[in-house]
Amino acid sequence: EIVMTQSPATLSVSPGERVTLSCRASQSVSSNLAWYQQKPGQAPRLLIYGASTRATGIPARFSGSGSGTEFTLTISSLQSEDFAVYYCQQYGSWPLTFGQGTKVEIK
Amino acid sequence: EVQLVESGGGLVQPGGSLRLSCATSGFTFSNYWMNWVRQAPGKGLEWVASIKQDGSEKYYVDSVKGRFTISRDNAKNSLSLQMNTLRAEDTAVYYCARSIMGATMNDWGQGTLVTVSS
Repeated sequence: EIVMTQSPATLSVSPGERVTLSCRASQSVSSNLAWYQQKPGQAPRLLIYGASTRATGIPARFSGSGSGTEFTLTISSLQSEDFAVYYCQQYGSWPLTFGQGTKVEIK
Repeated sequence: EVQLVESGGGLVQPGGSLRLSCATSGFTFSNYWMNWVRQAPGKGLEWVASIKQDGSEKYYVDSVKGRFTISRDNAKNSLSLQMNTLRAEDTAVYYCARSIMGATMNDWGQGTLVTVSS
């Protein structure tokens, strides 16, 4: 099983700041990495797939990078609606696995 | 508009069974892999099971193998999860999700809560 490790667990940020979230895989997943956003009481929403491709309707301030075992989600200028929990997920091999999440909260 | 609507959740005793359903619309169901993902209260996301378009391939997380069965009815555009021998640790919101690109979860339902407790 590929273990996904996200850091930090919590990030306190002010609106307008640039945010960088990290996700590390215990073995290579190539570019088979997705990012999701989840707000309280809501289902997750796909942001990024293929490590760097934005899903339909996702604003350009969200970008993903990396390959192999190291991945990054960047929010260029945090908006109020971006405060949420973010998860990475590998789909390079079964079983599919998620990271434990990074909570982005208001500073 | 793509819609995924789960149903069938509820309170069940340890050792009991429950069958979840996911009714879909707005897309050609038979063209896509489908998945179940769960989230225990206050916890993160956990993938549970996936099924190929024609049902010929199924995958499960180890913790549910032998207890849960994923299935689909392409004629009725529906996905199911039969859950047997339920345990307290199966308590979670269960989401169905559609995969478009690889095994990503592109579209999600609103979830259905399963509570396993005596």
